[in-house]
Amino acid sequence: DTAVSQTPKYLVTQMGNDKSIKCEQNLGHDTMYWYKQDSKKFLKIMFSYNNKELIINETVPNRFSPKSPDKAHLNLHINSLELGDSAVYFCASSQGSYSYEQYFGPGTRLTVT
Amino acid sequence: GQSLEQPSEVTAVEGAIVQINCTYQTSGFYGLSWYQQHDGGAPTFLSYNALDGLEETGRFSSFLSRSDSYGYLLLQELQMKDSASYFCVSNQAGTALIFGKGTTLSVSS
Repeated sequence: DTAVSQTPKYLVTQMGNDKSIKCEQNLGHDTMYWYKQDSKKFLKIMFSYNNKELIINETVPNRFSPKSPDKAHLNLHINSLELGDSAVYFCASSQGSYSYEQYFGPGTRLTVT
Repeated sequence: GQSLEQPSEVTAVEGAIVQINCTYQTSGFYGLSWYQQHDGGAPTFLSYNALDGLEETGRFSSFLSRSDSYGYLLLQELQMKDSASYFCVSNQAGTALIFGKGTTLSVSS
């Protein structure tokens, strides 16, 4: 059983489109995260939810909107995609907020053309 | 600002020992973690140090000196499968983890 899963694994789309990435964890964790990893492998937090409540909202364009329908799911919707949004997006989960031990999903490679 | 510094690349041969250093400047520091990421893969947690000293987990060990704001990851008996990126990560009070820029380790035969 996959602990943290994301769909889709690859996403190729054109500028201006809207897309969503879904994440699910079956570890029973109460906190989930979205990270962005750029082409230089720099990994940066975007958002975090604890029990469906937003607890981290870094400086991210408001074209990015997370949504957590329950504590096992965290989705990311991106409006009006731009070239600079091309990156790998990782979902992660942990037991407890801000935990040092986080479990990452396989990533979604987003390419905007 | 908050930052972590680590070498960008390290190379070694199979069977060798390699040390990846990390210095940090973060406020509200709790501890230092290390994550491994293979090309095309997800980051995976390796170790965590909250207190000064050495933590050993099999071939991997991690060290922390809070007074020096310094830590390192020590990999022994290197294997080809250890070729990956290694991130030092700062855990601090009430905020998100901060990742270093990663060190790419290349192990050759």
